[in-house]
Amino acid sequence: DVKVTQSSRYLVKRTGEKVFLECVQDMDHENMFWYRQDPGLGLRLIYFSYDVKMKEKGDIPEGYSVSREKKERFSLILESASTNQTSMYLCASTPGLAGGQTDTQYFGPGTRLTVL
Amino acid sequence: EDKVVQSPLSLVVHEGDTVTLNCSYEVTNFRSLLWYKQEKKAPTFLFMLTSSGIEKKSGRLSSILDKKELFSILNITATQTGDSAVYLCAVEALVEYGGSQGNLIFGKGTKLSVKP
Repeated sequence: DVKVTQSSRYLVKRTGEKVFLECVQDMDHENMFWYRQDPGLGLRLIYFSYDVKMKEKGDIPEGYSVSREKKERFSLILESASTNQTSMYLCASTPGLAGGQTDTQYFGPGTRLTVL
Repeated sequence: EDKVVQSPLSLVVHEGDTVTLNCSYEVTNFRSLLWYKQEKKAPTFLFMLTSSGIEKKSGRLSSILDKKELFSILNITATQTGDSAVYLCAVEALVEYGGSQGNLIFGKGTKLSVKP
């Protein structure tokens, strides 16, 4: 069974802090994704990666960066956290072709980030 | 442990057919159930259901929630090839952490293929 894990379930940070959210998948998947989920807005794609050291911007990349140094690990970085980045962050992976089109996405449990 | 189970995992139909996708859940402190359509990069929000027995409709898609039996169905009538996608069900569970917050638990999705 595919397992996608995220480093923290809950995180509280202060405005201006640098925040790292880690995601690890154990099924040798090519593609990994970071989303944020906000009430009434659904899931919005921040960044995705289809290979080690490759990354592409999603729909809302501003204020975020990512790192994929190893295939199994995809990190989301908030360089200087702001209160409007308070949200639920979800990581996902898929084994499919580049871009992960129509492949089932396996989601992690989510990280609830609060920025004060 | 909270869980969301979708069935079937995959489905192949012909244009014009009607399909029913199922989502059952076991979640503590249920808050809402959401349906998404996953085509390319990011899932598209379809419905959010919070009350039992009230059908939500959008064009050929409709969905209903049964909070007593703990399931939801997503119906698609007169299917078209453009309906081919993975349909994700997610349940938001209310947790208390410095104020009420919600966690999302995703099912594995149903991969729908509509053939001409």
